[in-house]
Amino acid sequence: ETGVTQTPRHLVMGMTNKKSLKCEQHLGHNAMYWYKQSAKKPLELMFVYNFKEQTENNSVPSRFSPECPNSSHLFLHLHTLQPEDSALYLCASSQDLQGVNTGELFFGEGSRLTVL
Amino acid sequence: AQKVTQAQTEISVVEKEDVTLDCVYETRDTTYYLFWYKQPPSGELVFLIRRNSFDEQNEISGRYSWNFQKSTSSFNFTITASQVVDSAVYFCALMGYGGATNKLIFGTGTLLAVQP
Repeated sequence: ETGVTQTPRHLVMGMTNKKSLKCEQHLGHNAMYWYKQSAKKPLELMFVYNFKEQTENNSVPSRFSPECPNSSHLFLHLHTLQPEDSALYLCASSQDLQGVNTGELFFGEGSRLTVL
Repeated sequence: AQKVTQAQTEISVVEKEDVTLDCVYETRDTTYYLFWYKQPPSGELVFLIRRNSFDEQNEISGRYSWNFQKSTSSFNFTITASQVVDSAVYFCALMGYGGATNKLIFGTGTLLAVQP
């Protein structure tokens, strides 16, 4: 069982829908991340949270709205998306933002989003 | 600017062959970290190795080995005696030292297909 769980695994939505992606980590980590993975492009960091506080918003359009109610849960709220937003959205966690385990992220299996 | 280039988009080998995945990076930082992650068909990225810029010793872990050469800005990954279970997308990543977050810069990945 993976330490980072994402739901739903697959999501199809229309451009006017509102949906949310959920991520839960069972590792006791303090930092959580959202990444976007599109075909033939590098993984793009979207948001970073540390101890529930957002520390980075990588110029993400406002139609993506993150929420981190506690260190174990991370949401990505989706609203009026575009077809080009179709991608695999990966959640990750790490013990801290820095330290001896720097760069060692634990990823979920992703939520495959299709926007029609 | 930081950049990671994985020129090999796809590689196909037959089981038991050796295969090397190339990674070339660009950075102006004198201190930085390099990583390899594996993404199996299930979707989650799995951390394989971290190297800091002051440690150019090659590393071997079972059938995996990594060759770090600062002179050519390369951090190549070799799988010896490949197996079908090695089939995955492999990502090379770079992180500058001293940043406020675990901001990994990923390459576009190399899809490795190991045929039985």
